[in-house]
Amino acid sequence: AQSVTQLDSQVPVFEEAPVELRCNYSSSVSVYLFWYVQYPNQGLQLLLKYLSGSTLVKGINGFEAEFNKSQTSFHLRKPSVHISDTAEYFCAVSEGSGGSYIPTFGRGTSLIVHP
Amino acid sequence: NAGVTQTPKFQVLKTGQSMTLQCAQDMNHNSMYWYRQDPGMGLRLIYYSASEGTTDKGEVPNGYNVSRLNKREFSLRLESAAPSQTSVYFCASSDLGGGGSGANVLTFGAGSRLTVL
Repeated sequence: AQSVTQLDSQVPVFEEAPVELRCNYSSSVSVYLFWYVQYPNQGLQLLLKYLSGSTLVKGINGFEAEFNKSQTSFHLRKPSVHISDTAEYFCAVSEGSGGSYIPTFGRGTSLIVHP
Repeated sequence: NAGVTQTPKFQVLKTGQSMTLQCAQDMNHNSMYWYRQDPGMGLRLIYYSASEGTTDKGEVPNGYNVSRLNKREFSLRLESAAPSQTSVYFCASSDLGGGGSGANVLTFGAGSRLTVL
């Protein structure tokens, strides 16, 4: 069965600074990887996904993530954050053929952007 | 385009009371899911329905029942609420039902906040 570890429960950062939110996964088969964002008092929405091909994936709002198979990681990055990026971020993994298609979510990382 | 609609948005129950959370999607998705979100625990799957007419247990099914009423609707019932069921509940749907092929991107509702006293 797959699992996801988000290494930081909270990441404080100043506006316009770069940020990296870390995610590691474990699985015995090929994986699909996702980052979802949850703004205060809202549901989750897809930020970006890795299916196959290029290991650098670009998403909405200037975010990008890099799939590293050898490190089993899928870290999320943004070169310059805004106050509006303050939200909860969830990494998720589902498996390809032979595995579970239902996503398993990490515990979430709270990104707090200070002015 | 409403997407996934959950009702009610807020509910307060007393221990032992029952209630049903309703969920409907208008995207013609095959699969539907119920998750609960608790601080520091992320999202945990309660039940899911891969397609109309089927339901399966997730990670934390105890104390809950579900009904896939039709392709659009998937309800979650608490027969005898307990304080441990205080949580935010999310319904989600996706256009993938079993088989393990392809990526499974979920569309979420806005959530239902339940407090059990």
